[in-house]
Amino acid sequence: AQSVSQHNHHVILSEAASLELGCNYSYGGTVNLFWYVQYPGQHLQLLLKYFSGDPLVKGIKGFEAEFIKSKFSFNLRKPSVQWSDTAEYFCAVNPSGSARQLTFGSGTQLTVLP
Amino acid sequence: GAGVSQTPSNKVTEKGKYVELRCDPISGHTALYWYRQSLGQGPEFLIYFQGTGAADDSGLPNDRFFAVRPEGSVSTLKIQRTERGDSAVYLCASSPTRTATNTEAFFGQGTRLTVV
Repeated sequence: AQSVSQHNHHVILSEAASLELGCNYSYGGTVNLFWYVQYPGQHLQLLLKYFSGDPLVKGIKGFEAEFIKSKFSFNLRKPSVQWSDTAEYFCAVNPSGSARQLTFGSGTQLTVLP
Repeated sequence: GAGVSQTPSNKVTEKGKYVELRCDPISGHTALYWYRQSLGQGPEFLIYFQGTGAADDSGLPNDRFFAVRPEGSVSTLKIQRTERGDSAVYLCASSPTRTATNTEAFFGQGTRLTVV
């Protein structure tokens, strides 16, 4: 069975600060990796995804994530956050080469202070 | 519509009652997923459809929960004899690809179910 751990439950930053949100997964095979974001009152939206290839993945709104296979990690980064990045962020995985359901982490609430 | 549509957006029901939650996926999407999200948690998988059939229903918590997708598009999640512990946001997602292909899922706004 797969599992996903997001160690930071709530992160508070000031605008222009750099962001790194941790995500570790457990699975006995190769995986697809995702970061989803949920802005207040909105539905879950895909920020970025990794299927294969370059382990450094760039997504929307200046976000990026790096897949480190040896550490089973897929941390999300942004060099300079904005107030509009305030949202909940979810890391998710599913088995590589499949359309199977996602296993999500418990989420990280990011609050950016203006 | 352009996205995944879920109705109703909010549902309040009394303990013991039956409820149906509807999901209208993006047109042409073959895969459909139901998740449940409790406060402070990530979405938890319930059931996954490919076309009309349930490819994986291992996430349904007990036999009070059932879902159908009779024509391979709209899906209904049915909960019998609701309990207060069923209160959560029920999320639906769809994706355009078939079983053995990497894909991304597109989520609806969810139905917030409250059992009183």
